[in-house]
Amino acid sequence: DAGVIQSPRHEVTEMGQEVTLRCKPISGHDYLFWYRQTMMRGLELLIYFNNNVPIDDSGMPEDRFSAKMPNASFSTLKIQPSEPRDSAVYFCASSVLAGEGNEQFFGPGTRLTVL
Amino acid sequence: GEDVEQSLFLSVREGDSSVINCTYTDSSSTYLYWYKQEPGAGLQLLTYIFSNMDMKQDQRLTVLLNKKDKHLSLRIADTQTGDSAIYFCAEYVIKAAGNKLTFGGGTRVLVKP
Repeated sequence: DAGVIQSPRHEVTEMGQEVTLRCKPISGHDYLFWYRQTMMRGLELLIYFNNNVPIDDSGMPEDRFSAKMPNASFSTLKIQPSEPRDSAVYFCASSVLAGEGNEQFFGPGTRLTVL
Repeated sequence: GEDVEQSLFLSVREGDSSVINCTYTDSSSTYLYWYKQEPGAGLQLLTYIFSNMDMKQDQRLTVLLNKKDKHLSLRIADTQTGDSAIYFCAEYVIKAAGNKLTFGGGTRVLVKP
């Protein structure tokens, strides 16, 4: 298996632009997670899905952020409009329903820079 | 609520042992994890321990769990330069409101030759 796939790996955009991050989880995994990592706040859980349904979005910073999972093999995280403080590395992770302790497998991340 | 704390930084000489410490607050955690993040990469699971265990050994890695003090540690024997990375501990809690994996802030380990 190729593991969790994220695209793009790097994104540089200007303030006010829409940004869409993409994730393909490992086939057969029932859970999908979006995290944000910054030096100031460390690793933060933004939202997670179970069987394509959003379960907990309490970590989504504000209405500018939205996430969708239209099917079991694809998810997007959208920021509209983007702001410089959104600059971070965004990770997607997936896990199986019955895995030991819900082990999460992380993608390589998308490094977002908002100018 | 869940809160996982780690020291920020650890420097160690190649060949020595490293010990990374972590404290957590939720006594209902079921699994505790150690993840490793190398530069430019995502987190990768290193090892985990079930909450009813107090020790787990896996090659150069030893995990110790003190449930009474809610303290978790990771010992790396014979530390090598390839062990330089950020190490995250995490606790997994099963609750009626929903299961949750909470990460600490990460400990940056620098191995000096």
